[in-house]
Amino acid sequence: RKEVEQDPGPFNVPEGATVAFNCTYSNSASQSFFWYRQDCRKEPKLLMSVYSSGNEDGRFTAQLNRASQYISLLIRDSKLSDSATYLCVVRYAGKSTFGDGTTLTVKP
Amino acid sequence: EAGVAQSPRYKIIEKRQSVAFWCNPISGHATLYWYQQILGQGPKLLIQFQNNGVVDDSQLPKDRFSAERLKGVDSTLKIQPAKLEDSAVYLCASSSGLSNTEAFFGQGTRLTVV
Repeated sequence: RKEVEQDPGPFNVPEGATVAFNCTYSNSASQSFFWYRQDCRKEPKLLMSVYSSGNEDGRFTAQLNRASQYISLLIRDSKLSDSATYLCVVRYAGKSTFGDGTTLTVKP
Repeated sequence: EAGVAQSPRYKIIEKRQSVAFWCNPISGHATLYWYQQILGQGPKLLIQFQNNGVVDDSQLPKDRFSAERLKGVDSTLKIQPAKLEDSAVYLCASSSGLSNTEAFFGQGTRLTVV
């Protein structure tokens, strides 16, 4: 079993749709969690950290469920520019482990 | 603020040849990472430095890969000899080293081994 697992997708949604991604992790002692965004042939960039109480940044909401060992990312009112691969990152003892990413395509 | 600089951007080599990649992290960042990203997969950590010391190199194929970070600033990653399966993007990242801080990535070096 991989340490961090994501549904690879692709998720194809129309503009304005709401879409959610989940990410599960195997190490119950994991300490911090992040979502990164990676555009095609570009480097990953931090989208948002994930806090225990859940957090929101504009149209993006991240949540953590420690009991079930998963994190989620919700995107509301999808834009064409949201098309990218979303990488889940789980950190333990200073080491970050990336999932393989979920690909989102937003269509007009 | 200048970002993480990597060179070269692209490299094509034949199998069994050697290759080296260079990374200059963001000024003042103590932690430097090298990741390998194979197409369709997430980045996989090869080695992590804290200043000029190695923190984690458990996934570095040490029979062919080596990395150094002299003086705790820039770093080089070498592959010798290269194999076909080494074709990937090699990403360098740096962070301030404090817990829960963001890691900033360079644009990567796309390596093709033929």
